[in-house]
Amino acid sequence: GAVVSQHPSWVICKSGTSVKIECRSLDFQATTMFWYRQFPKQSLMLMATSNEGSKATYEQGVEKDKFLINHASLTLSTLTVTSAHPEDSSFYICSANEALSPETQYFGPGTRLLVL
Amino acid sequence: RKEVEQDPGPFNVPEGATVAFNCTYSNSASQSFFWYRQDCRKEPKLLMSVYSSGNEDGRFTAQLNRASQYISLLIRDSKLSDSATYLCVVRGGATNKLIFGTGTLLAVQP
Repeated sequence: GAVVSQHPSWVICKSGTSVKIECRSLDFQATTMFWYRQFPKQSLMLMATSNEGSKATYEQGVEKDKFLINHASLTLSTLTVTSAHPEDSSFYICSANEALSPETQYFGPGTRLLVL
Repeated sequence: RKEVEQDPGPFNVPEGATVAFNCTYSNSASQSFFWYRQDCRKEPKLLMSVYSSGNEDGRFTAQLNRASQYISLLIRDSKLSDSATYLCVVRGGATNKLIFGTGTLLAVQP
């Protein structure tokens, strides 16, 4: 099946720094990528939808200036958490749709962020 | 009201037991329905899609009742390896967005 990778798998950083998370589709072209966040014992919450070559669409309550999304190619989307604070500590997961099968989302393994 | 609601559990069952999970969704325009499995500290993985006619995959049976906006998952002959969180997921309305329930934790005991 289709494979989506994320890098890094975990990151620990100091408060105030920015963290970039990469999401790659390894064996297919992803026209759309999704970024989710999951806090402990809670559900995955969609943060934004990213289409290649256009601006991301953010969900209500998600600050676009804090969570910068770039989807510059059909195989790579990046999420940058700017000026991270401890409350941004979470599990960030991306997923991708393949153009030929838009009904199916393939999930990356997630990135665990801890902000001290 | 949450868009997708599940009993969080935990469900503690012995090996070999049959266990059923339920889920309700609020958006009557929802078009696609799924059960995902999520292991601790891992990404969710698709277990099965859910159709109105009901569908079965080995020990797993899923049912959808559109009139009641209700989805179920039945696991027969539980295995230790079935221990995980089971997420009810709905694709909402006209968008391609997946809406996740908070999940139901299953712990199968030896």
